[in-house]
Amino acid sequence: KNQVEQSPQSLIILEGKNCTLQCNYTVSPFSNLRWYKQDTGRGPVSLTIMTFSENTKSNGRYTATLDADTKQSSLHITASQLSDSASYICVVNAGNNRKLIWGLGTSLAVNP
Amino acid sequence: DGGITQSPKYLFRKEGQNVTLSCEQNLNHDAMYWYRQDPGQGLRLIYYSQIVNDFQKGDIAEGYSVSREKKESFPLTVTSAQKNPTAFYLCASSTQGLADTYEQYFGPGTRLTVT
Repeated sequence: KNQVEQSPQSLIILEGKNCTLQCNYTVSPFSNLRWYKQDTGRGPVSLTIMTFSENTKSNGRYTATLDADTKQSSLHITASQLSDSASYICVVNAGNNRKLIWGLGTSLAVNP
Repeated sequence: DGGITQSPKYLFRKEGQNVTLSCEQNLNHDAMYWYRQDPGQGLRLIYYSQIVNDFQKGDIAEGYSVSREKKESFPLTVTSAQKNPTAFYLCASSTQGLADTYEQYFGPGTRLTVT
């Protein structure tokens, strides 16, 4: 069964600190992996899209890694800001945009 | 929100009534999608459309209907047949149909409450 599991479920950090969110997947076939940021009550916003051959991809203070062999991805947030408080969702594409497998997300709270 | 608008942001309806959620995009995207999001669950695909006048059922289409008469618009009707319609509904679009490398852009969502 295609699944995307994220950990931790929730996380609280202090402003300025770094954090790493994890995503493990059992999806086949694998096309690409995406990280989205979703503010409460808003639509998700894409942070990165990583294909099979990409190990690391950065978008400002966000850096995603992908290990296709172990089927694991991580999202590292550097020097967190209050505006980083949101849900971060890992999504695996199993072939086309009709076959996106969505994780439940990690809820991140950045406190002053 | 990438040029996708959804209205209204909040919608309240009585059980047994049909309701239509609006989704408009000005990104010139071919493909459009409807998802619902419930607490404790990942996004689930309701319907998608690759091109005007064509649409396909997603994973949870029962109790929903759509139309795609214009490229810019993809309204979703929640019918009285939908057993549990209270949810957060998200519309998205992407260029080049369902091609896997094209990211989806989401609207701000509509929170529907049916009592």
